[in-house]
Amino acid sequence: DGGITQSPKYLFRKEGQNVTLSCEQNLNHDAMYWYRQDPGQGLRLIYYSQIVNDFQKGDIAEGYSVSREKKESFPLTVTSAQKNPTAFYLCASRGLGSGANVLTFGAGSRLTVL
Amino acid sequence: AQKVTQAQTEISVVEKEDVTLDCVYETRDTTYYLFWYKQPPSGELVFLIRRNSFDEQNEISGRYSWNFQKSTSSFNFTITASQVVDSAVYFCALTGPQGGSEKLVFGKGTKLTVNP
Repeated sequence: DGGITQSPKYLFRKEGQNVTLSCEQNLNHDAMYWYRQDPGQGLRLIYYSQIVNDFQKGDIAEGYSVSREKKESFPLTVTSAQKNPTAFYLCASRGLGSGANVLTFGAGSRLTVL
Repeated sequence: AQKVTQAQTEISVVEKEDVTLDCVYETRDTTYYLFWYKQPPSGELVFLIRRNSFDEQNEISGRYSWNFQKSTSSFNFTITASQVVDSAVYFCALTGPQGGSEKLVFGKGTKLTVNP
């Protein structure tokens, strides 16, 4: 079945460490997105990529980095510069021509900084 | 600036009750798109509906129905005869005329608990 796979589902990190969250999709979608969700909050856009080897900052990109070397992969690195990294991270994708703006989401990765 | 307000933080109902989740939006665009997503405990957001600003017809899908009223800038979601499986966080979202998902603005969500 086509979909988005995020790993790991749960991740613990010590302060000062970088951590990379994986996002892989087999939907042949061109655009991919990373959102952050905090308790009681909506989703906030971190980064997005509409095409391979290109990506754009979202509303809260500081302390994060991404790469898009392959169409199916869009990993997110949470760096030590991110002051409050504990959150639930959601990856999403969208195909060109798919029902306008409809995103397909992964199951998320929950990051906890100890 | 675009904004989505879901004033109900949490709602708790008993199975078979009807429940309405409110969504009020703000935008200066004349063309825009509204969405509802469901986030079950598993965490993955599931798309429920998309509505463009030119289509004010209400929509019904099984036990789900949506009421779009431009006059009050609202896009409310009603679940009829709620079931335990409806327990989830529901998000309303808005994007502008360009339609880019990068401009999708989410409300803070309403957590619905349906008790048996």
